[in-house]
Amino acid sequence: EIVLTQSPGTLSLSPGERATLSCRASQSVSSSYLAWYQQKPGQAPRVLIYGASSRATGIPDRFSGSGSGADFTLTISRLEPEDFAVYYCQQCDNSPYTFGQGTKLEIK
Amino acid sequence: EVQLVQSGAEVKKPGESLRISCKGSGYSFTNYWITWVRQMPGKGLEWMGRIDPSDSYINYSPSFQGHVTISLDKSISTAYLQWSSLKASDNAMYYCARQIPGSKGHSKGVDSWGQGTLVTVSS
Repeated sequence: EIVLTQSPGTLSLSPGERATLSCRASQSVSSSYLAWYQQKPGQAPRVLIYGASSRATGIPDRFSGSGSGADFTLTISRLEPEDFAVYYCQQCDNSPYTFGQGTKLEIK
Repeated sequence: EVQLVQSGAEVKKPGESLRISCKGSGYSFTNYWITWVRQMPGKGLEWMGRIDPSDSYINYSPSFQGHVTISLDKSISTAYLQWSSLKASDNAMYYCARQIPGSKGHSKGVDSWGQGTLVTVSS
């Protein structure tokens, strides 16, 4: 089973700042099969990024994904108030399709 | 519009059985896998398993194999998650999601989520 470790666990930033979230895999993951999701309290998750770097439909361009091998990054270039949420990465390269434990992005 | 509509919240006692459902609409149901995800209170997302409606192939996470059963009824575009004997540790929100199918069991990820079904197990 591939273990995904996200860091930091909590990130405290202010609106307008840049956020960098990390997702590290216990073994190499094809970038085609790495996704990022956002979850707000009381809501279902929604997809942000497929294939490590492709934005899903309707996702603002301030969200970007990068990385390869075992290290992946989600960057939010300029935080908006609605971006404060929990973010998860998921690998769907090998079953079971594991999630990271999440990074909580909170308002400083 | 793609929609996954899940059945409503359930309150059950330990030892009881339960089946929750997830109805897909707005797309060809057999073209996408259905995945189930557990979220325990205050915790993260856990992938439970997925089913391919085109051939009913099921792939369980080892963590959930033997504890739950995933099934579907193609004729009504509905997938199911069921327990034969619930435990208190099954208290959680359960999401179904549409998983993008790929070759050799790979997937680009989930592109649509149900609203979640809250399962409460308490004596």
